[in-house]
Amino acid sequence: DVKVTQSSRYLVKRTGEKVFLECVQDMDHENMFWYRQDPGLGLRLIYFSYDVKMKEKGDIPEGYSVSREKKERFSLILESASTNQTSMYLCASSRQSVYEQYFGPGTRLTVT
Amino acid sequence: DAKTTQPTSMDCAEGRAANLPCNHSTISGNEYVYWYRQIHSQGPQYIIHGLKNNETNEMASLIITEDRKSSTLILPHATLRDTAVYYCIVRSLNQAGTALIFGKGTTLSVSS
Repeated sequence: DVKVTQSSRYLVKRTGEKVFLECVQDMDHENMFWYRQDPGLGLRLIYFSYDVKMKEKGDIPEGYSVSREKKERFSLILESASTNQTSMYLCASSRQSVYEQYFGPGTRLTVT
Repeated sequence: DAKTTQPTSMDCAEGRAANLPCNHSTISGNEYVYWYRQIHSQGPQYIIHGLKNNETNEMASLIITEDRKSSTLILPHATLRDTAVYYCIVRSLNQAGTALIFGKGTTLSVSS
């Protein structure tokens, strides 16, 4: 079974803090994705990566950065957390040539 | 992307088959039908996909009409744990590296 793990299920941070969300997949997938999910807005893509050290902006990259130094790990960084970044963050991975994405359990981040 | 239309909600008795419909009348020849579900407070889960033939795996069956304008996801023996929001998505393989876009989906409630 494909396994995608995320570093925390719940996280509470203060405004202005730097926040790291980590995602690890164990199936040697080329593609990795970071989404956020908010009520009424559905899934929105923040960043994705199709190879080590490669990254592409998604629909809402502002306020976020990413790092992919190893194939299995994709990190999302909130440089200076703000209250409007309170959300559910979902990591996913997939093979290059197929479409099904496998998701982690999500991290519910609250910024106070 | 081809647009999909799903009922907002459905109910099913535990142990009975749950049949979830999806209309995708503008689907083009190279687009696949994918189904995902999201159980409350968890990440989305890939269920099944197909092009034109019916498909079955350990989770569900997918029936696609001959004209490919609609499909039905079948959970043969629904359990309480199948209570979730089910999303039907239509995408082509050359979009494999791009974001998933979920519509509102169908909220399936399984009761005993």
